[in-house]
Amino acid sequence: EPEVTQTPSHQVTQMGQEVILRCVPISNHLYFYWYRQILGQKVEFLVSFYNNEISEKSEIFDDQFSVERPDGSNFTLKIRSTKLEDSAMYFCASRVRDPAETQYFGPGTRLLVL
Amino acid sequence: GEDVEQSLFLSVREGDSSVINCTYTDSSSTYLYWYKQEPGAGLQLLTYIFSNMDMKQDQRLTVLLNKKDKHLSLRIADTQTGDSAIYFCAESFTMNRDDKIIFGKGTRLHILP
Repeated sequence: EPEVTQTPSHQVTQMGQEVILRCVPISNHLYFYWYRQILGQKVEFLVSFYNNEISEKSEIFDDQFSVERPDGSNFTLKIRSTKLEDSAMYFCASRVRDPAETQYFGPGTRLLVL
Repeated sequence: GEDVEQSLFLSVREGDSSVINCTYTDSSSTYLYWYKQEPGAGLQLLTYIFSNMDMKQDQRLTVLLNKKDKHLSLRIADTQTGDSAIYFCAESFTMNRDDKIIFGKGTRLHILP
């Protein structure tokens, strides 16, 4: 069964450094998402992406965040200058065109900012 | 606004039924979901229900939706130790362009021997 994959599974970085989290959505999916889950808290929506542009972003998704689909398979989340509070699990999700279809989540990248 | 509430903990004896409850505020939701998250793992979609349905059954799982009270429940029959996890209630509004999923804080299900 096709699945969303994410790399790396874990990343440790120093405060102020840039990180890029990578996702490979399911191949025929057209809508892409990033969510994050701070330890012990709920999963929060960050951004949705369709047709090479952001469809919606949350208040969390400020100027330090950006997303890109650099080629036909990868979908990336870049955090320009990480803060301690960016430590979280980051989930990528994707879905097909049909809005009646659900989003499929990847296994997540656990980011730790020191 | 959009909000999903659920109790944080539930303890159930092995073999009993577990019932996890959830309430939501936005009646325009299209789908309501239950996700399972085991320790250190990702989000596993357990089941979902379209908002015009009242009930959905899938093997040991039964989802009940009360639209009037905006209440969603997940019943797990014959609870096993492998059911120990955090269960997230969630909703989405997928008929709109903005179809983000809104999650609750999760209910940690603990299985007693």
